[in-house]
Amino acid sequence: GAVVSQHPSWVICKSGTSVKIECRSLDFQATTMFWYRQFPKQSLMLMATSNEGSKATYEQGVEKDKFLINHASLTLSTLTVTSAHPEDSSFYICSEGNPSGSSYNEQFFGPGTRLTVL
Amino acid sequence: AQTVTQSQPEMSVQEAETVTLSCTYDTSESDYYLFWYKQPPSRQMILVIRQEAYKQQNATENRFSVNFQKAAKSFSLKISDSQLGDAAMYFCAYRSILSNDMRFGAGTRLTVKP
Repeated sequence: GAVVSQHPSWVICKSGTSVKIECRSLDFQATTMFWYRQFPKQSLMLMATSNEGSKATYEQGVEKDKFLINHASLTLSTLTVTSAHPEDSSFYICSEGNPSGSSYNEQFFGPGTRLTVL
Repeated sequence: AQTVTQSQPEMSVQEAETVTLSCTYDTSESDYYLFWYKQPPSRQMILVIRQEAYKQQNATENRFSVNFQKAAKSFSLKISDSQLGDAAMYFCAYRSILSNDMRFGAGTRLTVKP
């Protein structure tokens, strides 16, 4: 299956600062990537759909000005948490959607990024 | 909007025994994809098994099999000959043919007792 990497795997930042998380597709060109947030002991909640070369589509309740998504190339999508606050502390996971060769439209997930805002 | 329900927050099974995890979903679509993902302590999401709704035959992957009941909108996962490495969170997921996004259930934490 497709391989997706995320960087960093773990980040601690001060309240009010911005943090950028990178999601890379290592062996497929991904026109679509997804960003999820997972709070402790909870499920994955879709935040937004990242489309290469166009604006991201955000789920209801997700602040687009706070969670900036850029999908400038077919192999890289970035999520920037702007002016982070402690309540933004969470596990952020990206996935690659509909890679070529996948007949079942399964998603391939990155290893996740743990964000802690002090 | 589609919803996925996993009614068992936690399940426990003895090593080498069989366990079934439940999942139901709600949709008005006639064709879609269903998945079971495993999330071990590393938190890496791993695909366990997948099913396309138009296929009546239940999917099987080695020790993992599903019981797909389309009319009842039920998609349970059976793990046979449970192993210690099967201990993890298991998420049931629905993916629409029309869109690319995936909806997850709340998850079931599976414990395997030696």
